[in-house]
Amino acid sequence: QQQVKQSPQSLIVQKGGISIINCAYENTAFDYFPWYQQFPGKGPALLIAIRPDVSEKKEGRFTISFNKSAKQFSLHIMDSQPGDSATYFCAASMKSYGNNRLAFGKGNQVVVIP
Amino acid sequence: EADIYQTPRYLVIGTGKKITLECSQTMGHDKMYWYQQDPGMELHLIHYSYGVNSTEKGDLSSESTVSRIRTEHFPLTLESARPSHTSQYLCASSDPLGDRGQETQYFGPGTRLLVL
Repeated sequence: QQQVKQSPQSLIVQKGGISIINCAYENTAFDYFPWYQQFPGKGPALLIAIRPDVSEKKEGRFTISFNKSAKQFSLHIMDSQPGDSATYFCAASMKSYGNNRLAFGKGNQVVVIP
Repeated sequence: EADIYQTPRYLVIGTGKKITLECSQTMGHDKMYWYQQDPGMELHLIHYSYGVNSTEKGDLSSESTVSRIRTEHFPLTLESARPSHTSQYLCASSDPLGDRGQETQYFGPGTRLLVL
């Protein structure tokens, strides 16, 4: 049973455009929502994260929008660059028994064309 | 960039062979994880450890085993490799003080395993 669902599966964006990836979750006990970025041949790396007490978080060209009532959050990449071409994973976790185990989505492949 | 290393990066091996995938980290993290990742699929947690001599099964059943004799080392072993074990295996460790107190996981580059 997949706890975190991503859409679309892949995305092609023109350089300078906006990439938007959506994520939905089921478990309302989740209290931490990170996005990981993975380049080919590398492991995933934390990109940006949000907690449910805020509706938006921005770091440079990357923004997370969070909708608690809809149980959805999304990643926006502004002014997309070819160097942003990667696979993006949303994830969710909750503090249980002192261990923050992450539930990952399936990942979205973003391709930014010049 | 996180100091977490995996070897080998690529491995092609025949059915029935015993293999050990190495993972080491120099950050002193107590918590370590093994994930299995297939193309186009999510990361599946197969093993984790809270510290030395602590190991637990993850969410995805796996025929592999792990050990944690030293804090920095978390190897994964397959006693008898099969084609169904073909996948990418990612090791991670977590920093309990990362991202304002919420644990941040740092991943190694992964080992791509092909069992013929």
